Amino acid sequence: EAGVTQFPSHSVIEKGQTVTLRCDPISGHDNLYWYRRVMGKEIKFLLHFVKESKQDESGMPNNRFLAERTGGTYSTLKVQPAELEDSGVYFCASSQDHTYGYTFGSGTRLTVV
Amino acid sequence: DQQVKQNSPSLSVQEGRISILNCDYTNSMFDYFLWYKKYPAEGPTFLISISSIKDKNEDGRFTVFLNKSAKHLSLHIVPSQPGDSAVYFCAATGYGGSQGNLIFGKGTKLSVKP
Repeated sequence: EAGVTQFPSHSVIEKGQTVTLRCDPISGHDNLYWYRRVMGKEIKFLLHFVKESKQDESGMPNNRFLAERTGGTYSTLKVQPAELEDSGVYFCASSQDHTYGYTFGSGTRLTVV
Repeated sequence: DQQVKQNSPSLSVQEGRISILNCDYTNSMFDYFLWYKKYPAEGPTFLISISSIKDKNEDGRFTVFLNKSAKHLSLHIVPSQPGDSAVYFCAATGYGGSQGNLIFGKGTKLSVKP
């Protein structure tokens, strides 16, 4: 079984540019989560999809962040325009049901310069 | 304000000995707790969990203890192996483990020396 796949693994962009992160969950997993870890700090929840619907987006920092999950399969997280404080590792996770043994992807390391 | 605290950024243990990683929480509404393990350049991997109705859960070399009155949990690894060297994250949630997001601590880096 393929795991959770995230693309790209690394991204370096300039302040003000746009970046789109992609997550392919495990096939059949209805629940998809985005988390972020800023260097040296805790991993923080961003949002939760159930199929294509946003179940909880309380962790989204501001309206520069837009997450989509069209068709309930893969998800994208767009940051537009990127700011320096957006740098960090963005993790995606998925689960089949409402349990917490999430499977995480390897993350996308975003650096905004 | 941090709701889940891992006050030891790092821990070094000799192979074969016990590793004890600690975690404190402040929110009394948390009722489900988890430990994740993370290797460099990889995502966190679920290790073990415990519901607040229990005070202990064991899985092989890993045991999690929960002290609700002290709002404290710990992860014991016995015996410790070099492959256990990783960052361990404590996480909590308040919906019995069935929904809602996870609140993570900052992690403890465990080094197991041969």
